[in-house]
Amino acid sequence: GQNIDQPTEMTATEGAIVQINCTYQTSGFNGLFWYQQHAGEAPTFLSYNVLDGLEEKGRFSSFLSRSKGYSYLLLKELQMKDSASYLCAVNGGYQKVTFGTGTKLQVIP
Amino acid sequence: SQTIHQWPATLVQPVGSPLSLECTVEGTSNPNLYWYRQAAGRGLQLLFYSVGIGQISSEVPQNLSASRPQDRQFILSSKKLLLSDSGFYLCAWSVTGGRHYEQYFGPGTRLTVT
Repeated sequence: GQNIDQPTEMTATEGAIVQINCTYQTSGFNGLFWYQQHAGEAPTFLSYNVLDGLEEKGRFSSFLSRSKGYSYLLLKELQMKDSASYLCAVNGGYQKVTFGTGTKLQVIP
Repeated sequence: SQTIHQWPATLVQPVGSPLSLECTVEGTSNPNLYWYRQAAGRGLQLLFYSVGIGQISSEVPQNLSASRPQDRQFILSSKKLLLSDSGFYLCAWSVTGGRHYEQYFGPGTRLTVT
């Protein structure tokens, strides 16, 4: 089976750093995605981790530990436009990606 | 460049009525295609995926069905809608044999069953 856990909601201050955690237990694992979804819109791709470690892309970084079944998304220098839901998703192979329920991030002034 | 279209954007249908949602992809050939549903307060649920014309895999048994009559066309249907079918329906595509199956989502259809 597939089980992906993320916090439901988080609040952070503009200009600060926030870390969104994701833990997973899946029958197969080829990699882990992070997507951003603004309210009422479709998800957009942020990052994909296959190997352990940290990958940085501008203000966003994503970390993976396969042995611990754990990932996090790190957002630096938060901006108001970063208010959105952040979805963790596992690529279990064979064209199948399983999504978590998402973390709704609210950035406040 | 590749684009993905979905229509309609919003839909209000009575219980027991039929449903047809269409998704088309431009700018790529032989894509993998997916239908997801996102109910209020819940995550994305994979409903169907297709790796080629006429090839449909169902992930969740329900009153919905999918068809792929052409390479870049994916249709989600129902003969009789239930209240529980309300939600945000998203079509997505990915590159066949792509390095990591990154999925690109369409704008979605918000369905309300009354």
